[in-house]
Amino acid sequence: AQKVTQAQTEISVVEKEDVTLDCVYETRDTTYYLFWYKQPPSGELVFLIRRNSFDEQNEISGRYSWNFQKSTSSFNFTITASQVVDSAVYFCALSENNAGNMLTFGGGTRLMVKP
Amino acid sequence: EPEVTQTPSHQVTQMGQEVILRCVPISNHLYFYWYRQILGQKVEFLVSFYNNEISEKSEIFDDQFSVERPDGSNFTLKIRSTKLEDSAMYFCASLDGMNTEAFFGQGTRLTVV
Repeated sequence: AQKVTQAQTEISVVEKEDVTLDCVYETRDTTYYLFWYKQPPSGELVFLIRRNSFDEQNEISGRYSWNFQKSTSSFNFTITASQVVDSAVYFCALSENNAGNMLTFGGGTRLMVKP
Repeated sequence: EPEVTQTPSHQVTQMGQEVILRCVPISNHLYFYWYRQILGQKVEFLVSFYNNEISEKSEIFDDQFSVERPDGSNFTLKIRSTKLEDSAMYFCASLDGMNTEAFFGQGTRLTVV
């Protein structure tokens, strides 16, 4: 069975600090997909990134970067020079190749960026 | 940019009443989903729908729930007799193919009183 764990329930930082959100996953599939979604206070789910299990290259998009390590089953998300607008709940999610695109979400990490 | 649209944004209903939550997926998408998020908790899978039938469903999706794609554009979730514990945000999502990103609607907040 697939499982996603986000051990940090809440993180508080001051603007301009870097922050890393941890995500650890469990799956028996060799082919799977990992995602990060942002949920701002308005409530919608905003897609950030999708990664397949065969692509361990780290990715950078502006202030966001992702570190995928199969050896530790982790897919961590770093925000560099955080801003108040980054305040949100961030969800990591997993989709197994044979599970019809069903997403299993982690419990989420609430990030508060203070000015 | 195409988007998934859900209506209503907020619905309040009395316990025992039937509710229908509506979603208009992105037009060329083939896979449709409903997820639920109880306030302050994680997002949970309810059901997936492909080729006019349910392909997967979770334990949450019991006989009180049903889904339909009545006219080729709308995708609805019906709860026959609502309970207090059905209060949650319900998200619709659609995908254009296997293992692509899911596009989520903005959600419907259901409050059962």
